[in-house]
Amino acid sequence: QKEVEQNSGPLSVPEGAIASLNCTYSDRVSQSFFWYRQYSGKSPELIMSIYSNGDKEDGRFTAQLNKASQYVSLLIRDSQPSDSATYLCAVTSEGSARQLTFGSGTQLTVLP
Amino acid sequence: KAGVTQTPRYLIKTRGQQVTLSCSPISGHRSVSWYQQTPGQGLQFLFEYFSETQRNKGNFPGRFSGRQFSNSRSEMNVSTLELGDSALYLCASSSGTSREKLFFGSGTQLSVL
Repeated sequence: QKEVEQNSGPLSVPEGAIASLNCTYSDRVSQSFFWYRQYSGKSPELIMSIYSNGDKEDGRFTAQLNKASQYVSLLIRDSQPSDSATYLCAVTSEGSARQLTFGSGTQLTVLP
Repeated sequence: KAGVTQTPRYLIKTRGQQVTLSCSPISGHRSVSWYQQTPGQGLQFLFEYFSETQRNKGNFPGRFSGRQFSNSRSEMNVSTLELGDSALYLCASSSGTSREKLFFGSGTQLSVL
């Protein structure tokens, strides 16, 4: 059974700091990796996607993927109180590209 | 470009009843996936439809079913509701190609009493 593990948190960081969110997955044939942000009472919002080993940067967000270690992470630089949310890691495999397996999420709080 | 639209936003049903949820994907998207989100189990995949055909199905009982129409709109049906079916049901839209991104609607919050 495919599994995606995340530290449930909560994770608290001060405003302006770097928040680091981690995720491991069990299925070695996983192909695509996503980070979603979910505010309380809202639906998940896609913030990052990554498909190859290495880093991918988009504004204050950097996703890192290491397929050998089956590890994906999300760094949020210059964290803002508006970044306070639950961050969900999601993984898909070839042949089931729209079947996302989600982690349980990490609750992040950015303290002003 | 309009996003994914789900109706209704809230539903209250009693055990044994059935319910139908609706989802309109982003214009031009042909794939619709359904997910269930509960505090205990998190987000779980229900099924995916593409061009009116079910392509993938998650590990849910047969009481959960769906369909997709020629305009890509999708409906999900749950029969013989149980208390444990109380959840946020999310629809996700995508173009149907590989390495694609899924975009979620606001969801339907179902409460079974």
